[in-house]
Amino acid sequence: DTAVSQTPKYLVTQMGNDKSIKCEQNLGHDTMYWYKQDSKKFLKIMFSYNNKELIINETVPNRFSPKSPDKAHLNLHINSLELGDSAVYFCASSQEIGGGRTDTQYFGPGTRLTVL
Amino acid sequence: QQQVKQSPQSLIVQKGGISIINCAYENTAFDYFPWYQQFPGKGPALLIAIRPDVSEKKEGRFTISFNKSAKQFSLHIMDSQPGDSATYFCAASKVGNEKLTFGTGTRLTIIP
Repeated sequence: DTAVSQTPKYLVTQMGNDKSIKCEQNLGHDTMYWYKQDSKKFLKIMFSYNNKELIINETVPNRFSPKSPDKAHLNLHINSLELGDSAVYFCASSQEIGGGRTDTQYFGPGTRLTVL
Repeated sequence: QQQVKQSPQSLIVQKGGISIINCAYENTAFDYFPWYQQFPGKGPALLIAIRPDVSEKKEGRFTISFNKSAKQFSLHIMDSQPGDSATYFCAASKVGNEKLTFGTGTRLTIIP
């Protein structure tokens, strides 16, 4: 009964490759996010989607492209992987509660990406 | 630009003691201040949150103290237990913007 799931849990790949991370939530939420956690544990938002529409796009290289086929899924595709992309990537979701607010963000278990 | 500053970076507390983690923010438009708990190999999970209309919120052993004029808020864990050993993140966001800005995290270790 995982609320927010991500696949794969671990991803090891060579520089220059293209890879995707998948995220699914079964909470019925309409907002989903991608966060990056670096080696120092610093958490930073990358993207936010609301009902399949891009809401937040932080200063992330164009090599990163989120795709939301429906409001329960938000995948992250990364082109031309670089060493600095090595990190743990977290997907999260939340529900709008009106007044421009969203409720608690629920995080997935994370995907540890290692670029060699 | 670090909009939410968190201290200390790491903290060791004896079992039964009080753990205190502090955060300070810069953006006065922030109006939602959650604390997240993260265990190794897991995603962050909401622990407790506060809005600036109250100065304190308590849930079990966990209390947030909020000082709007000083732009500071802190997490107090009473009767700290070994199971509380984790990394704690404060965060902040503002109305109309789902973006959470996180602090740098505090690694808490509770020793017997």
